[in-house]
Amino acid sequence: QVQPVQSGAEAKRPGSSVKVSCKVSEDTFNNYALTWVRQAPGQGLEWMGRIIPTLGLAVSAEELKGRVTITADKSTTTVYMELSSLGSGDTAIYYCARSSDAYYNWLDPWGQGTLVIVSS
Amino acid sequence: IVMTQSPLSLPVTPGEAASISCRSSQSLLHSNGYNYLDWYVQKPGQSPQLLISLVSNRASGVPDRFTGSGSGTDFTLTISRVEAEDVGLYYCMQGLQTPITFGQGTRLEIK
Repeated sequence: QVQPVQSGAEAKRPGSSVKVSCKVSEDTFNNYALTWVRQAPGQGLEWMGRIIPTLGLAVSAEELKGRVTITADKSTTTVYMELSSLGSGDTAIYYCARSSDAYYNWLDPWGQGTLVIVSS
Repeated sequence: IVMTQSPLSLPVTPGEAASISCRSSQSLLHSNGYNYLDWYVQKPGQSPQLLISLVSNRASGVPDRFTGSGSGTDFTLTISRVEAEDVGLYYCMQGLQTPITFGQGTRLEIK
């Protein structure tokens, strides 16, 4: 299995947005879902949402109050997670992971993670 | 669904067995007969990786020292003979309904 490849670390100001990319194989893009999970420093894992790329069907965590947008680009087999109105609490490592498209489980494999630091 | 793990810290002597408990606030049993409970491990400095899916199905490459069991709301991950390479944070996760939720994590360390 080929690990998803994520974009590099980002430093952002409070109130701005960040867009993290996750490039996957064509097989993954066409046959699975992609799930986003984040991990704040020293904290546990938080599910953010997921997308079925071929359908463009995305669902996200209500706790993020509409700040997260998950999209997919078929031409580059890349999935994106954009988070807006950033605050210090959004400082975290953001992971994408291939997942089951039929249900919400089975996250495998995970990308290498993208560190996003929000600071003034 | 709230996922509660215990213990949160687990010091183990190499060669001994270790168990982690995971309880969910609601049953994870789907109408299709499967319990949507996975286990993940995050080794130091690495991304999380799948250990076990659907309670007891080991992921590719996972040694048979790792066993998952349980049903409904009570689940257990057992490592029969802990090795130094098993050090890390172990998380259970429910995949039955959104929002997907994880346990707090159990830190396994070697004595």
